[in-house]
Amino acid sequence: SQTIHQWPATLVQPVGSPLSLECTVEGTSNPNLYWYRQAAGRGLQLLFYSVGIGQISSEVPQNLSASRPQDRQFILSSKKLLLSDSGFYLCAWTEGISGNTIYFGEGSWLTVV
Amino acid sequence: AQSVSQHNHHVILSEAASLELGCNYSYGGTVNLFWYVQYPGQHLQLLLKYFSGDPLVKGIKGFEAEFIKSKFSFNLRKPSVQWSDTAEYFCAVRSNNDMRFGAGTRLTVKP
Repeated sequence: SQTIHQWPATLVQPVGSPLSLECTVEGTSNPNLYWYRQAAGRGLQLLFYSVGIGQISSEVPQNLSASRPQDRQFILSSKKLLLSDSGFYLCAWTEGISGNTIYFGEGSWLTVV
Repeated sequence: AQSVSQHNHHVILSEAASLELGCNYSYGGTVNLFWYVQYPGQHLQLLLKYFSGDPLVKGIKGFEAEFIKSKFSFNLRKPSVQWSDTAEYFCAVRSNNDMRFGAGTRLTVKP
């Protein structure tokens, strides 16, 4: 069966520090991978999505970046965090272009102080 | 840019009232449509989804949604809400590799 792991679950980081959130998917191959941020009153904002290794689409201008070094690994990064980066980050995947259901990771709470 | 709009930010209803939450999208091509629910302190759960066929889709817990292609809408309905339906509801639209969510509608059901 397919599973998705996301870590760390919670994170408190000072302003200006780097960030790395990791996500891995098991039990499937060539998934589409997504990073979302959930903020109060703003729903789920799509940040990045990837259809394959090294292929990243960015949806919003920001100081975050994403990378997909392996087929089932998706990493969200920042070189210097801002206070406004605080939020709940969700990794998700679907089965390629024909996959109609999205599966979410457990989420990562990031607090920038 | 592609977008998903949920017009109601916060809806307050009494138990047994009927519910309709609006969702509109701006994709022009083939879409798959979803409604997710997030109960307080919990993760997103799939309520229902539309891929093709009958535009009236029935989901879990008595919810249903109707896809109206000409209106680019996928409204969520429930004839009689319960206190336990208090949650946040998200509409989502998938087109090709892109999956986007609306801003969410917070539903409060008063006992």
